[in-house]
Amino acid sequence: EIVLTQSPGTLSLSPGERATLSCRASQSVSSSYLTWYQQKPGQAPRLLIYGASSRATGIPDRFSGSGSGTDFTLTISRLEPEDFAVYYCQQYDSSLWTFGQGTKVEIK
Amino acid sequence: EVQLVQSGVEVKKPGESLKISCKGSGFSFSNYWIAWVRQMPGKGLEWMGIIYPGDSNVRYNPSFQGQVTISADKSISTAYLQWSSLKASDTAIYYCARLIAYNWFDPWGQGTLVTVSS
Repeated sequence: EIVLTQSPGTLSLSPGERATLSCRASQSVSSSYLTWYQQKPGQAPRLLIYGASSRATGIPDRFSGSGSGTDFTLTISRLEPEDFAVYYCQQYDSSLWTFGQGTKVEIK
Repeated sequence: EVQLVQSGVEVKKPGESLKISCKGSGFSFSNYWIAWVRQMPGKGLEWMGIIYPGDSNVRYNPSFQGQVTISADKSISTAYLQWSSLKASDTAIYYCARLIAYNWFDPWGQGTLVTVSS
């Protein structure tokens, strides 16, 4: 089973700042199978990025994904108030889907 | 609009049985895998299993195999997650989600909170 480790656990930033979230896999993940979600308190997760770098429908271009192999990154170029939330990465391999433990982006 | 609507909050006692539901609309329910995902209080997301309503093919996360049963009724575009004997450790929010390209989950249902307490 591929384990995803996200860092940092919590990111304290101000609106307008850049957020860089990391997702590291215990073994290589095909870029096609790396996904990012956003979850706000009391809400279901929402798809942000699939295939490591493709934005889902309706996702603003301040969100971008990159990476390959075992290291993937979600970048929010300029934080808006509505972006403060928890972000999860997820991968698929060998009939198993696993999630990272999440990174909380909080207002500084 | 593609939508998954889940059944409401459940409060149960240990040892009781439970079946929660997830109804799809706005897409061909029979032709997409539907997943169940657990989120324990204050914790992250755990994939439990998937079902293909078209033929009721089910695949479980080994961690959940034998602990829950996933089923579906394609005639009413509904998937189910059930327990025969609940434990306090089953307390969580359970989400259903449509699986796209056998890869990512979108959209998600609103979640069903299950509380198991004596």
